[in-house]
Amino acid sequence: NAGVTQTPKFQVLKTGQSMTLQCAQDMNHEYMSWYRQDPGMGLRLIHYSVGAGITDQGEVPNGYNVSRSTTEDFPLRLLSAAPSQTSVYFCASSFQGDGYTFGSGTRLTVV
Amino acid sequence: GQQVMQIPQYQHVQEGEDFTTYCNSSTTLSNIQWYKQRPGGHPVFLIQLVKSGEVKKQKRLTFQFGEAKKNSSLHITATQTTDVGTYFCAGLSGSARQLTFGSGTQLTVLP
Repeated sequence: NAGVTQTPKFQVLKTGQSMTLQCAQDMNHEYMSWYRQDPGMGLRLIHYSVGAGITDQGEVPNGYNVSRSTTEDFPLRLLSAAPSQTSVYFCASSFQGDGYTFGSGTRLTVV
Repeated sequence: GQQVMQIPQYQHVQEGEDFTTYCNSSTTLSNIQWYKQRPGGHPVFLIQLVKSGEVKKQKRLTFQFGEAKKNSSLHITATQTTDVGTYFCAGLSGSARQLTFGSGTQLTVLP
């Protein structure tokens, strides 16, 4: 099993560009989440999903969109990148919220 | 909204010394989870505590959940260089079953 796979691992964007961070899991987990990690601020929840077709906002949702058309995939879209979105992004999945498995992360720089 | 505070932010210890990190929530938690993140890596799930006053051990690591289910601690006995990393607590509350992470304690172990 691959667990949680995130692509790309690194990305540089120009201000105003859009892109999609991919996340896929092969553990049949219903719960999936996106976090961003900034120095000294821990992990902050962006969006989450408790099943296919169901998504909701987390603590810092502005500037991001998500969709969950299948159990396996949970892409995160940056609509118009801003320097404040420079961060490390983690996707995670869980069986009903118990013990999340994290992907290896995407390091995003917006210039 | 729910807040999870974690102290200390940084801790340097000599190899062989003990280490403790503390976590406090502004609200009562249904459970608390602990994660470890090695430098440059992603968070890895360590353990989940559910019951009031629960104590669990994993080799040299001891995890406690407070009686009021609002605080928790992680204690490492006789630290080793392999313990280096950032330790995060994450509280789960409410029906959304989404985690709120503390800001983490970065542990450095000096050989």
